[in-house]
Amino acid sequence: GQNIDQPTEMTATEGAIVQINCTYQTSGFNGLFWYQQHAGEAPTFLSYNVLDGLEEKGRFSSFLSRSKGYSYLLLKELQMKDSASYLCAVTESNYQLIWGAGTKLIIKP
Amino acid sequence: EPEVTQTPSHQVTQMGQEVILRCVPISNHLYFYWYRQILGQKVEFLVSFYNNEISEKSEIFDDQFSVERPDGSNFTLKIRSTKLEDSAMYFCASRIDSNSGNTIYFGEGSWLTVV
Repeated sequence: GQNIDQPTEMTATEGAIVQINCTYQTSGFNGLFWYQQHAGEAPTFLSYNVLDGLEEKGRFSSFLSRSKGYSYLLLKELQMKDSASYLCAVTESNYQLIWGAGTKLIIKP
Repeated sequence: EPEVTQTPSHQVTQMGQEVILRCVPISNHLYFYWYRQILGQKVEFLVSFYNNEISEKSEIFDDQFSVERPDGSNFTLKIRSTKLEDSAMYFCASRIDSNSGNTIYFGEGSWLTVV
């Protein structure tokens, strides 16, 4: 079956670093996406990983281990505006994304 | 930056009525999608569309749903006879080509409330 797991909620402090984990079991794998979603808004693209390793993009980095079915999103120098849900999604084919339930990140001053 | 646009942003409809949600994908994109998100729940795939036909659809996308690209720019989702459980945010998305690394861009969503 298909399963994508991520923590439901995390809390972090402004200026700190937080790591959001995602594990997946899917019948196929063609890449993993991380999206940010503010309440009531559409998901916005953060990162894409298809090969093992770390992809860095400014304050955000994403890591993938295909053998472990594991990814994480690392957010540095947290800002209040980073308070949002972070969605892990796996693509098995060219056509659809399979979504995790999202991790709600709460940033405290 | 080009964007996916959706109308209406919010629609309230009575149970049993037909609803059409409209989307204008990014102009040079070839793959189109509809997703939905029930309040507080995960995003769910409904359907993908390529070359004027459905490529994949989920179990949610039953006979009451249909999609159409009537004029080369609009991409519509029709719900024939709405049910209370169809209340959700519906997101249209598009992607430039079949390279799975290319970003899927989302519209801002159409919030459907069935009463």
